[in-house]
Order: sequence, then C-alpha cells, then structure tokens
Amino acid sequence: NAGVMQNPRHLVRRRGQEARLRCSPMKGHSHVYWYRQLPEEGLKFMVYLQKENIIDESGMPKERFSAEFPKEGPSILRIQQVVRGDSAAYFCASSRGRGRGNIQYFGAGTRLSVL
Amino acid sequence: TQLLEQSPQFLSIQEGENLTVYCNSSSVFSSLQWYRQEPGEGPVLLVTVVTGGEVKKLKRLTFQFGDARKDSSLHITAAQPGDTGLYLCADIGSNDYKLSFGAGTTVTVRA
Repeated sequence: NAGVMQNPRHLVRRRGQEARLRCSPMKGHSHVYWYRQLPEEGLKFMVYLQKENIIDESGMPKERFSAEFPKEGPSILRIQQVVRGDSAAYFCASSRGRGRGNIQYFGAGTRLSVL
Repeated sequence: TQLLEQSPQFLSIQEGENLTVYCNSSSVFSSLQWYRQEPGEGPVLLVTVVTGGEVKKLKRLTFQFGDARKDSSLHITAAQPGDTGLYLCADIGSNDYKLSFGAGTTVTVRA
C-alpha cells in the first residue's frame, strides 16, 4: 500500500530553468496539498487542489509558480525561471476528503537546489 | 495571521532522560496537531488535540493542550535514539485544510 509518492527526491536546477515536481497521492485520495519548507522554518501552505480544480492557491507566489492535478496522472508543481530563493524542500500531502477528520499524509518531499 | 512559536529550537539529551517541548500560539487553536519529521522524510502525524485541557498519551509520549487552547506541550519519557527528529506543531485552521506549522524543535537523543 504505497503512501504519497513524490519525485524526484532531489532536483538541481540553474537559475532561469524550469522545475517540475510530481506528486502521486495515496490510493483513494482526491485532495492534494503542496507545502514549502525553508531551512529552519516551518512548512508553509502553498496550494490545495481537488481533481482538476484549484481550491485555494493563496500561499503560492503569483508569478512563476503554478500547480495542477489532472483527471489522470500526478499533481504537478511547476516553477518557471527558478531563482536561488526557490531552493527549499517541497512537500505534497493528500487526504481522502476535506475537513478535520481527514488526515493529510505527507510524501518524503522534493529537495530543490538552485545553482 | 496566526503565529506558532515552538521552544526550544534545539534539544540534545542522553538516552533515558525525559524531555518536554512547547508550542504556543498567538491565537486560539482550531485543532492542534503534533508531527515528527525525520531527516529526508516528510512529517508524520502523531496526535490531534481539540479540547482545552485535553491530555493524550501515545506510549512514552504525553501531549497536553492548555485550557485556553493557545498552548501545548509534548513530553517524552525515557527518550530513545529512535525519538530523534524534528517535532512540529500545527493548527488545521478555521478552513479545515490549511495547516499552519511552527518552526519545530530539533530533538537529538544520544545513545
């Protein structure tokens, strides 16, 4: 029974390149959340998606960042024209439903390093 | 904007000792969660507390929620090297999905 799968685990990009982070939720989960963790900071909410719909993107920078969760396939967090400040660990979580009774299960994260 | 403060930032103890870490909020928690995150991994939920004054036990871990629902503590008895990790507190928030995390306490248990 696989948990939340994220790939790649580590990603190195040069400034100006694009980064694509993938997240496959747990089986039966249709709600996906992306969080970013900067060194010595807590995880910060970025975006919440439910199959083909963006529910809340209030934590995502308005420029260069986008997220999708298509009907088929994994959720993708896309960062265009990366800058050094984008270097962080990006975590995806999934849940079966929405609300307090629905636990968010986290993946192992993607560590993005921008050179 | 809710602020969650965790203390201490770092804690290093010998195997067998006890430890306590704290989480304080600038506003009342909607629903407080504690997580442990090991190096290179994602956070794993340990417990959820909702009611003021609530105490929950999970083997050697004891979680307390303040009466005013603005503070919480995690106490570990007879710590083991396997308890090493980053302990995070989080609030689910009024919208029931947007987790707000503290910066965490890094716990190291030396054998």
